[in-house]
Amino acid sequence: NAGVTQTPKFQVLKTGQSMTLQCAQDMNHEYMSWYRQDPGMGLRLIHYSVGAGITDQGEVPNGYNVSRSTTEDFPLRLLSAAPSQTSVYFCASSFRQTSNTEAFFGQGTRLTVV
Amino acid sequence: QQQVKQSPQSLIVQKGGISIINCAYENTAFDYFPWYQQFPGKGPALLIAIRPDVSEKKEGRFTISFNKSAKQFSLHIMDSQPGDSATYFCAAGPPHSGGYQKVTFGTGTKLQVIP
Repeated sequence: NAGVTQTPKFQVLKTGQSMTLQCAQDMNHEYMSWYRQDPGMGLRLIHYSVGAGITDQGEVPNGYNVSRSTTEDFPLRLLSAAPSQTSVYFCASSFRQTSNTEAFFGQGTRLTVV
Repeated sequence: QQQVKQSPQSLIVQKGGISIINCAYENTAFDYFPWYQQFPGKGPALLIAIRPDVSEKKEGRFTISFNKSAKQFSLHIMDSQPGDSATYFCAAGPPHSGGYQKVTFGTGTKLQVIP
């Protein structure tokens, strides 16, 4: 059981470049989300999706786009990378976003923008 | 606005000692309080969670204490072991209302248990 798979694990980008962080889950979870983790800031929600075709903004959405064409995949796109987007990115999924639902996280993508 | 405040930022505990991490929340509507454990290079994983209808929940060496009136909850790790060295996140979530509910995370506590 793979769970939540993120690729790549590491990435270095130049300012202004674009790229897509991939996230796939094989648990048939309807809810998926992207977080960024920065020192002293905890986990901040970027975008989330409650099902295929439905996405919405989280706490820090600027500079990022998402789409959800299938239940399994939820890619995160950086449109024009900036040094402020240097961070560790985590994708998470859960069966439902109810008040007692466990979130399953991927192993993260460490992104450096130079 | 930081809705869940976590302290301390880092903690060093001797093997066999008790590790205590504290969190405070502002939104009285929150009714789900999970703790996540994250090892270096890994994603967070659910450790233990509590609802406000109980004041304490214990799972092995891990205990959550909850004080609804003070809007505070804490994680206690008894008989701390070097394998417990990790970053711990508290979180809080609102009740299910049929729509989407965001879980708000604390800023994390890096625990180091030394032999």
